[in-house]
Amino acid sequence: QAGLTQPPSMSKGLGQTATVTCTGNSNNVGNQGAAWLQQHQGHPPKLLSNRDNNRPSGISERFSASRSGSTTSLTITGLQPEDEADYYCSSWDSSLRGWVFGGGTKLTVL
Amino acid sequence: DEQLVESGGDLVQPGGSLRLSCAASGFTLITYWMKWVRQAPGKGLEWVASIKPDGGEAIYVGSVKGRFTISRDSAKNSLFLQMNGLRAEDTAIYYCSKGDGETWGQGTLVTVSS
Repeated sequence: QAGLTQPPSMSKGLGQTATVTCTGNSNNVGNQGAAWLQQHQGHPPKLLSNRDNNRPSGISERFSASRSGSTTSLTITGLQPEDEADYYCSSWDSSLRGWVFGGGTKLTVL
Repeated sequence: DEQLVESGGDLVQPGGSLRLSCAASGFTLITYWMKWVRQAPGKGLEWVASIKPDGGEAIYVGSVKGRFTISRDSAKNSLFLQMNGLRAEDTAIYYCSKGDGETWGQGTLVTVSS
């Protein structure tokens, strides 16, 4: 099952802005949108943004998602120590008829 | 509050079987897409199977087709994953999840080893 493409790692300083990208194609991200998930070590994933780029209630406004063509981006402003985590994108693939995930991006907050 | 609680994970020998359960509360499970997602040790997330809200059509990732079966019980408000013919590469934490991922369980560990 072909997946979505994310950078494996990223490092940013406290208070800075991080932008994590996720690239798919017209069968998934381009036409279906993508959700973003955060996962801290030893914990289940948590939804940050759904496929319509909307934040669930309780998710900080520091997290925002956008899409351009077949690439979706998660932007985290004012980085905090608790933002250090793995971030995954996911989308429905209409050609594969299944869900696909990105490989995950490990964000380190310096 | 919505909650999902998985159970049934265990150590099993290659070729063996396990049935995972996911009990839902705070919402009616059969009215949503539900899916099983797994995470091998130190690896990323992998979609395993999903079941549609209407009619209960099931879909699977290629590597588990013919071996795993996803199902649900409306009376118990629960989701299940029957896993047969288990292989070492099926070793992972298995999570159940609602819809786009708005709710996740805490996961249950399946270890396939002799």
